[in-house]
Amino acid sequence: DTEVTQTPKHLVMGMTNKKSLKCEQHMGHRAMYWYKQKAKKPPELMFVYSYEKLSINESVPSRFSPECPNSSLLNLHLHALQPEDSALYLCASSHSFQGTEAFFGQGTRLTVV
Amino acid sequence: GQQVMQIPQYQHVQEGEDFTTYCNSSTTLSNIQWYKQRPGGHPVFLIQLVKSGEVKKQKRLTFQFGEAKKNSSLHITATQTTDVGTYFCAGRDSNYQLIWGAGTKLIIKP
Repeated sequence: DTEVTQTPKHLVMGMTNKKSLKCEQHMGHRAMYWYKQKAKKPPELMFVYSYEKLSINESVPSRFSPECPNSSLLNLHLHALQPEDSALYLCASSHSFQGTEAFFGQGTRLTVV
Repeated sequence: GQQVMQIPQYQHVQEGEDFTTYCNSSTTLSNIQWYKQRPGGHPVFLIQLVKSGEVKKQKRLTFQFGEAKKNSSLHITATQTTDVGTYFCAGRDSNYQLIWGAGTKLIIKP
């Protein structure tokens, strides 16, 4: 199984809502990532978990809260988002943080209204 | 901060023509990865180059890593409609973080 599964695929939320994005992989990878991608731009790193510990937070606003319940799961909790947070949110995993290829999920397309 | 410049931003080609995208880093990279993202899709890993002067081929795709490990290129021979998408390079810096290029969008002219 070489898949990274993200749910939901699409999400529309209001600025006062609380929602969560979920990501799952069963490749035994110990590094997991959240990226944000705006149209016509490269992915922008948000968070890195290595061995279930948060190792990188790229100065992301606190309205985004990551969680890694176990080595296969990664969540991104969303609260009080702004319309400019609308984007494609991509989860990825790799064998290790210093590892080779990253496997990306299909992403969650988030619209904040 | 460290940057990886990627050019061109777009390239329009007739089917069958060749395509090349270039990446240039301001500092030496540990390695460089290439990803392809189809329209509406997610990035898919193509290859990683590690050694100075390395050249790797995957069918019609040729990847090069410069001698100084600061630049890289991807060349596609005889493009096909299945090659359409945006190609990103991502260089790994001394802190093992990936620095992404802006991407080159390959458009096949009808």
